[in-house]
Amino acid sequence: AQTVTQSQPEMSVQEAETVTLSCTYDTSESNYYLFWYKQPPSRQMILVIRQEAYKQQNATENRFSVNFQKAAKSFSLKISDSQLGDTAMYFCAFSYQGGSEKLVFGKGTKLTVNP
Amino acid sequence: NAGVMQNPRHLVRRRGQEARLRCSPMKGHSHVYWYRQLPEEGLKFMVYLQKENIIDESGMPKERFSAEFPKEGPSILRIQQVVRGDSAAYFCASSPSTTNTGELFFGEGSRLTVL
Repeated sequence: AQTVTQSQPEMSVQEAETVTLSCTYDTSESNYYLFWYKQPPSRQMILVIRQEAYKQQNATENRFSVNFQKAAKSFSLKISDSQLGDTAMYFCAFSYQGGSEKLVFGKGTKLTVNP
Repeated sequence: NAGVMQNPRHLVRRRGQEARLRCSPMKGHSHVYWYRQLPEEGLKFMVYLQKENIIDESGMPKERFSAEFPKEGPSILRIQQVVRGDSAAYFCASSPSTTNTGELFFGEGSRLTVL
């Protein structure tokens, strides 16, 4: 079974600084997707960034980037120039490529951006 | 362009009653997923459906829970004889019939409170 582990239950960062959220996963598959979803207090799940396992280049979306280490099964999220609106729960997730798109989620990291 | 629509947003039931949660996928999407989020936890997969078919129900409790996605109308997650432990947020997500991104699009969730 696939598992996703987020070892940081809570983190905080000052506005405008950079923070990195950790995620590791376990799978025997070679083709898969990895995702970071954001869940603000409104509880809506919002996709932040996705990475295809076959791509060596790390994905970036504006202030969000990932450090994907396939051999180490690590997928960390870096948020640069943190903003107050980044305060949310962040979930790392995994799904098979070519499968049912069923997502397996980690338990989440609660990020607080302080003014 | 409506996203995934879930209703009701909030539902209160007494122990032993039935709860019905509805989900209309995004336009053009034919795959529906239900997830449950307990307080302070990540999302747990429950069931994956296509029109008139249950594809994967490996996350569904064996008793009291059922799901359907009829040819016409929304997908429905039904919980019979609710207990306090069923109190949670239930999220629906959808994806198109063919996708090369692995991404799921989430609704805003239905929060069930069992008194």
